[in-house]
Amino acid sequence: QSVLTQPPSASGAPGQRVSISCSGTNSNIGSNAVSWYQQVPGAAPKLIIYTNKYRPSGVPDRVSGSKSGTSASLAISGLQSDDEADYYCAAWDDRLSLVVFGGGTKLTVL
Amino acid sequence: QVLLVESGGGLVKPGGSLRLSCAASGFTFSDYFMSWIRQAPGRGLEWVSHINYNSGIIKYADSVKGRFTISRDNAKNSLNLQMESLTGEDTAVYYCARGNDAADFWGPGTLVTVSS
Repeated sequence: QSVLTQPPSASGAPGQRVSISCSGTNSNIGSNAVSWYQQVPGAAPKLIIYTNKYRPSGVPDRVSGSKSGTSASLAISGLQSDDEADYYCAAWDDRLSLVVFGGGTKLTVL
Repeated sequence: QVLLVESGGGLVKPGGSLRLSCAASGFTFSDYFMSWIRQAPGRGLEWVSHINYNSGIIKYADSVKGRFTISRDNAKNSLNLQMESLTGEDTAVYYCARGNDAADFWGPGTLVTVSS
């Protein structure tokens, strides 16, 4: 049971927009920044969003992040086949004093 | 370019010990928090531990507290994880990563298998 809650799966057709939610509490998302990671099968995770909405260099602007209260969201527009991956949200938890992850969302491009 | 390479994984019996290392290059190692994050087969990510620049701040997940010890050698640009009293629950790919809650570079990981 992960501290942050994500839907197990999401899907969309090429070119469409998909959104992935991440729900937490006041001790994590409610009071700390959220990061998002993309993990392609067999590879290490890759940071794609930090501090709620900022993209590291090299991440396309069709990837965006947002946060409101105790929830965060990752959106990917103009879906492409190589967006198929697992996506994880993460945040520091003040009560647990550690980094907590969501359980991951498997994105399928139809 | 930033490069992180883990080593030291392998097969170990329950109750055994293992020491993981992570060699860092391409950045000023002593400027950054470093973390260990693991992923059990077919499961999600689990943060294990992190250490700040000068080893003055160290945190562990409850699942490893008292059994794992994180350390770093800034002179050698290396991060270590000493793992004791291993159980099957510790079987996972262990990743070394730069940063803590927003880890911007990760190594390819090293597999630790705890089995008799």
